[in-house]
Amino acid sequence: EDKVVQSPLSLVVHEGDTVTLNCSYEVTNFRSLLWYKQEKKAPTFLFMLTSSGIEKKSGRLSSILDKKELFSILNITATQTGDSAVYLCAVERGTASKLTFGTGTRLQVTL
Amino acid sequence: EAGVAQSPRYKIIEKRQSVAFWCNPISGHATLYWYQQILGQGPKLLIQFQNNGVVDDSQLPKDRFSAERLKGVDSTLKIQPAKLEDSAVYLCASSLGVIGGYEQYFGPGTRLTVT
Repeated sequence: EDKVVQSPLSLVVHEGDTVTLNCSYEVTNFRSLLWYKQEKKAPTFLFMLTSSGIEKKSGRLSSILDKKELFSILNITATQTGDSAVYLCAVERGTASKLTFGTGTRLQVTL
Repeated sequence: EAGVAQSPRYKIIEKRQSVAFWCNPISGHATLYWYQQILGQGPKLLIQFQNNGVVDDSQLPKDRFSAERLKGVDSTLKIQPAKLEDSAVYLCASSLGVIGGYEQYFGPGTRLTVT
């Protein structure tokens, strides 16, 4: 059975701090790993990672995948209160685009 | 580009009643997904359609849940009869491709409370 484990489960930081969120996985026939941000409604897409060691970057957010050790990290630098959300990691396997999600990391950024 | 539309946004029913949710995916998206997200957990896939055919419904409780996607566009998910443990947010998502590697776009979800 596919498994995605995220850590920490929750995190409180001060505005301006840098945070690292972790995602480890066990999946048959891995295709890609995705990060989503979920505020009070729909998850919104952040990154899709397919290749090991290549960092994807978007503004203050970046992510990297290690396919040998089966994990990914999501970094957020200079955090802002608007970064407060649940960050979901999901793995896609096979050719049918099936996603298995982790339980998420709840990030709270305080002033 | 319009996003994934879902209705209703909220629904409260008593156990043993039935309920239906509607989803309209992004125009041109071949693949449609229904997820169940229980509070404090990540979304769990219930059923995946490619056009109007079912690709994966292995985690759909078929004794009470049913779903259809008529004409390969809109979809409905039905629960009959509902149980307390069905209280969750039901998310619909769509993606462009019929094989993997495409981003899934999520709708705002329907929050179901079963009392």
